[in-house]
Amino acid sequence: NAGVTQTPKFRVLKTGQSMTLLCAQDMNHEYMYWYRQDPGMGLRLIHYSVGEGTTAKGEVPDGYNVSRLKKQNFLLGLESAAPSQTSVYFCASSIDPRRSYEQYFGPGTRLTVT
Amino acid sequence: KNEVEQSPQNLTAQEGEFITINCSYSVGISALHWLQQHPGGGIVSLFMLSSGKKKHGRLIATINIQEKHSSLHITASHPRDSAVYICAVSQGGSEKLVFGKGTKLTVNP
Repeated sequence: NAGVTQTPKFRVLKTGQSMTLLCAQDMNHEYMYWYRQDPGMGLRLIHYSVGEGTTAKGEVPDGYNVSRLKKQNFLLGLESAAPSQTSVYFCASSIDPRRSYEQYFGPGTRLTVT
Repeated sequence: KNEVEQSPQNLTAQEGEFITINCSYSVGISALHWLQQHPGGGIVSLFMLSSGKKKHGRLIATINIQEKHSSLHITASHPRDSAVYICAVSQGGSEKLVFGKGTKLTVNP
């Protein structure tokens, strides 16, 4: 099992460019999450999904869109990148909070917007 | 005020010392998590607990539900324990975690 993987690992964008971050999990987990991590702040939830075809907003959703067309994949899109979106992005997945609250994290994507 | 507070923010220790990192929370929880993040690395779950104490190797996690407080202890610390330790809580009925800001631990040889 690869667990949770993220693509790409690093990316540099110019302001206004767009990109998509891919998260994939092979554990048949229902729930998937996108977080951002900034210096001096805890992990903050951007968007999450409770199953294939569903998405919901988290704490800091503005400027991001997501899609969960397949159960194993959760995509995070930036339509028009801004320097404030420079961050490390983590994807996570979990079975179902009613069974287990444990989340499994990907290795992260370091994004710089210039 | 953050719902999850960790202390200290930074901690430097000498190899072999006993380490304690604290986590306090202000909401009702279903479970508390301790996570580890090595420099430039991913995030790994160390413990998930809802009562009492758990031990894994040199790491021990305790929780006091009445006092809304948890501690992570590292015995016989080693430089490879240098990492950021993150406390997070699950609230009943919610699929979301609430995270503390992390404690950066440096263990010097």
